[in-house]
Amino acid sequence: EAGVAQSPRYKIIEKRQSVAFWCNPISGHATLYWYQQILGQGPKLLIQFQNNGVVDDSQLPKDRFSAERLKGVDSTLKIQPAKLEDSAVYLCASSLSGYQPQHFGDGTRLSIL
Amino acid sequence: DQQVKQNSPSLSVQEGRISILNCDYTNSMFDYFLWYKKYPAEGPTFLISISSIKDKNEDGRFTVFLNKSAKHLSLHIVPSQPGDSAVYFCAATLQTGANNLFFGTGTRLTVIP
Repeated sequence: EAGVAQSPRYKIIEKRQSVAFWCNPISGHATLYWYQQILGQGPKLLIQFQNNGVVDDSQLPKDRFSAERLKGVDSTLKIQPAKLEDSAVYLCASSLSGYQPQHFGDGTRLSIL
Repeated sequence: DQQVKQNSPSLSVQEGRISILNCDYTNSMFDYFLWYKKYPAEGPTFLISISSIKDKNEDGRFTVFLNKSAKHLSLHIVPSQPGDSAVYFCAATLQTGANNLFFGTGTRLTVIP
């Protein structure tokens, strides 16, 4: 089966610019997650979707980050405006349900200049 | 507040010997634990998991042990192979409600041929 697809793989922007990441989960996976992984740390959950509804966005900096999963399949994560501390790898993961192991994409490495 | 801790940032082991990776957690409500393996420039890959109702789970060369009273789990790899060289992340979650994974900071395993 095809894995979780993410694009772009790399992105370099200047601070205060905006950026968007795209994720296509494994077919049939109802639950989708976005994680932020800062260098030297483990991934940290930003937002979790169940189909097209938000289950948990308590760690999402809502003043600058937004995410949507309009049709319950693919998802976009946006940062506007970006800050230097947003430099990280953004990982998308999906699972059949909230109680199944999560499968990760290869991530988008974001560098803020 | 780091709820899942991996205190050893790195570990080197000779090929054929046992690798033991350790993980501690602070939240006694966690009831499901997972190990992920990560190669450079790739997303984490699910390796093995254990529910809090068990104290051991085996899958081929990989065994996870859980000591709930000590809030400690470990991953044993026997025998270790050069292809096992990667960063290993321990993660924990609550199986009720949102399936938010809390990750440790990772341990880099190097298996020396």
